[in-house]
Amino acid sequence: EPEVTQTPSHQVTQMGQEVILRCVPISNHLYFYWYRQILGQKVEFLVSFYNNEISEKSEIFDDQFSVERPDGSNFTLKIRSTKLEDSAMYFCASSVVGGAGEKLFFGSGTQLSVL
Amino acid sequence: SQKIEQNSEALNIQEGKTATLTCNYTNYSPAYLQWYRQDPGRGPVFLLLIRENEKEKRKERLKVTFDTTLKQSLFHITASQPADSATYLCALDSNYQLIWGAGTKLIIKP
Repeated sequence: EPEVTQTPSHQVTQMGQEVILRCVPISNHLYFYWYRQILGQKVEFLVSFYNNEISEKSEIFDDQFSVERPDGSNFTLKIRSTKLEDSAMYFCASSVVGGAGEKLFFGSGTQLSVL
Repeated sequence: SQKIEQNSEALNIQEGKTATLTCNYTNYSPAYLQWYRQDPGRGPVFLLLIRENEKEKRKERLKVTFDTTLKQSLFHITASQPADSATYLCALDSNYQLIWGAGTKLIIKP
């Protein structure tokens, strides 16, 4: 069964450093998402992406965050200058089409630890 | 703003019994409500989606109900098995995004 893959599974970085989290969505999916989950807390929406542009973003997704689809398969989340409070599990997801009525397929996540 | 409440306490159920989990929301009824399963250190896995005009949806041992009057969805697992032990999340649409409950941890004891 096709799946969303994320790399790395764990990332440790120093505060103020840039990190790039990578995702390969399912190949025939058109909508891509990033979510995060701070340990013990709710899953939180960050951003959705369609047709090479951001379609929706949350208040969390400020100027420190950016997304990119650099080629036909990868989808990346960049955090420019990491803060301690960015420590969380970051999940990439994809769906065939967009809209809240569509089921999402999630990757296994990247655990980001900012020291 | 829309709030979602799921029972934060773990639910302990004996194997073979039916587990029932609750998802309550506070404001407007969403057009869709989804249920996901999450295992420790893993991403959520989609289980079922129910629309606002549907009262009930089933898939194998799973059943979801949606009561827009009570602003509540119930998620049932019949003939529960230890492998059903996980955290179950409900999510609903709000302004073209999915917002999520904190999840209920379900423990099925053999």
